[in-house]
Amino acid sequence: NAGVTQTPKFQVLKTGQSMTLQCAQDMNHNSMYWYRQDPGMGLRLIYYSASEGTTDKGEVPNGYNVSRLNKREFSLRLESAAPSQTSVYFCASSEFSGGMNTEAFFGQGTRLTVV
Amino acid sequence: GEDVEQSLFLSVREGDSSVINCTYTDSSSTYLYWYKQEPGAGLQLLTYIFSNMDMKQDQRLTVLLNKKDKHLSLRIADTQTGDSAIYFCAEIPPVGSSNTGKLIFGQGTTLQVKP
Repeated sequence: NAGVTQTPKFQVLKTGQSMTLQCAQDMNHNSMYWYRQDPGMGLRLIYYSASEGTTDKGEVPNGYNVSRLNKREFSLRLESAAPSQTSVYFCASSEFSGGMNTEAFFGQGTRLTVV
Repeated sequence: GEDVEQSLFLSVREGDSSVINCTYTDSSSTYLYWYKQEPGAGLQLLTYIFSNMDMKQDQRLTVLLNKKDKHLSLRIADTQTGDSAIYFCAEIPPVGSSNTGKLIFGQGTTLQVKP
């Protein structure tokens, strides 16, 4: 059981380049999330998808786009990377049914540096 | 709005107890969680508490919940060097709130355990 898989694990981009971070989960979860983690700021929610076919902005969505391709996959795209987007990105998923959320499972993270 | 606050750093000696504190704002949250992040890794669920409970014990871990003060704490008994990590508290707003489906994390508390 792989859980939540993110690719790539490391990436260096030049300012202005674009890239897509991939995330897939094999737990049949409804909800998926993208967070960024910066020192002293904890995890900040970029976008989330409460169910297949829906996406919503989180706390820091500017400069990002997302696609919930199907129930398994939720990708994050940087159209024109900026140094301020240097961070560690985490994808997570959770089951959200019966009026309750359950445990969220996290990927191992993508360490992105924009130079 | 939602907000989860934690102190950023705690240092203890091996064998002592550690207490990590968290305050939250959404009093209707159903579940409150503690996650652990080891260096270079994703987040793993340590324990959780349902909002109608005051206390939950799980081996060396004790979670205390004070709903009146919106205060959550995690006590680690007999702290070991392997407990050195960042600890995050998180809340998940219930169905029907404006934050349905979101996971809200604190900034994380770095626990340093000295031998």
